[in-house]
Amino acid sequence: AQSVTQLDSQVPVFEEAPVELRCNYSSSVSVYLFWYVQYPNQGLQLLLKYLSGSTLVESINGFEAEFNKSQTSFHLRKPSVHISDTAEYFCAVSPSGTYKYIFGTGTRLKVLA
Amino acid sequence: NAGVTQTPKFQVLKTGQSMTLQCAQDMNHNSMYWYRQDPGMGLRLIYYSASEGTTDKGEVPNGYNVSRLNKREFSLRLESAAPSQTSVYFCASSDGLGSDTQYFGPGTRLTVL
Repeated sequence: AQSVTQLDSQVPVFEEAPVELRCNYSSSVSVYLFWYVQYPNQGLQLLLKYLSGSTLVESINGFEAEFNKSQTSFHLRKPSVHISDTAEYFCAVSPSGTYKYIFGTGTRLKVLA
Repeated sequence: NAGVTQTPKFQVLKTGQSMTLQCAQDMNHNSMYWYRQDPGMGLRLIYYSASEGTTDKGEVPNGYNVSRLNKREFSLRLESAAPSQTSVYFCASSDGLGSDTQYFGPGTRLTVL
């Protein structure tokens, strides 16, 4: 079975400071990795994903995540956050060859002025 | 192009009442999903439909039934609502296997009294 762990339920950070949201997973098969973002009272939307190839993936709004196979991690980073980044962030995995996605419990990022 | 739509947006039920949550997508996606989101628990898969004509149980299927009416529509039915089913329900769709991005609807906030 697969599982996803997001150890930080809330992360407060000041505007323009860097941030890292942690995600670790457990799986006996290869997986695809995703980060989704949920703004208040909205559905989730894809931020970035890792399928194969370069272990560093980037989003259009400055976030990046690095796949580390040995540590089974896929941490999300941004060098300088904005107020508008305040949202809940979900890490998810999908075992290769399946239709299922397993989500973490989410990390609420609050950017302070 | 509306993406994934869900009706209703809000619903209050009494224990024992039944209702159907509707979901439709206009992206010609093969796979559709129903999740519930509860505080501190992330998203949990209730049922999914890998393709038209097929449905499978997810992590928390008890108390729910689904119908894949056609390629566009995937409904979730609560036959006898219980307070434990108070949650926010999200429908999602994707093109197929787990390497594909999931697109989420805006959610239905259900309260069971």
